[in-house]
Amino acid sequence: NFMLTQPHSVSESPGKTVTISCTGSSGSIASNYVQWYQQRPGSAPTTVIYEDNQRPSGVPDRFSGSIDSSSNSASLTISGLKTEDEADYYCQSYDSSNHWVFGGGTQLTVL
Amino acid sequence: QLQLQESGPGLVKPSETLSLTCTVSGGSISSSSYYWGWIRQPPGKGLEWIGSIYYSGSTYYNPSLKSRVTISVDTSKNQFSLKLSSVTAADTAVYYCARLEWLRGHFENWGQGTLVTVSS
Repeated sequence: NFMLTQPHSVSESPGKTVTISCTGSSGSIASNYVQWYQQRPGSAPTTVIYEDNQRPSGVPDRFSGSIDSSSNSASLTISGLKTEDEADYYCQSYDSSNHWVFGGGTQLTVL
Repeated sequence: QLQLQESGPGLVKPSETLSLTCTVSGGSISSSSYYWGWIRQPPGKGLEWIGSIYYSGSTYYNPSLKSRVTISVDTSKNQFSLKLSSVTAADTAVYYCARLEWLRGHFENWGQGTLVTVSS
């Protein structure tokens, strides 16, 4: 079964840049689009990146997404970190059998 | 503006069937570009896709849950539903319904979620 692996947690200081990785278990992660969701405690997830690197309206350009085929991974980069960015982040994609998959989630701490 | 709202019992006994409904407002469930999905999140854990349905009734299920899951759609009521049978404490979770943009595989819109506890 297709799986996505994320680091359990990352931390960085305000104003700095952080990158969260999402590695595919099999096949090419570049074959299907990757999305990134932000989830704050007690709330439903919201999209910060869709279609690998597209930002929904209202998401600041401090958020960016990319794909690295050589490592079969996707990345979410947040620059100019703010305390309000502290949340859980999930990558998501799908496989050739139309099964949708979420990564295990990464807890971002801004300290 | 599209809104999704989950409804159903918040407490289910072990071995019984969990039943939830998602009501869609501000848009048609019969839109050709979208599937409709269920996702759950056990307390303190990550997101798990349960399954997705098209307005025609075509479904896809998570292989790990397929034997216990049924998702159905009622276009006349603009609703879709989830049934999960033979539940255990491991099925305790917040259950979300969401609209899935098919071409990109993107869960664009989410309901607020509803906590379902499995306990006697």
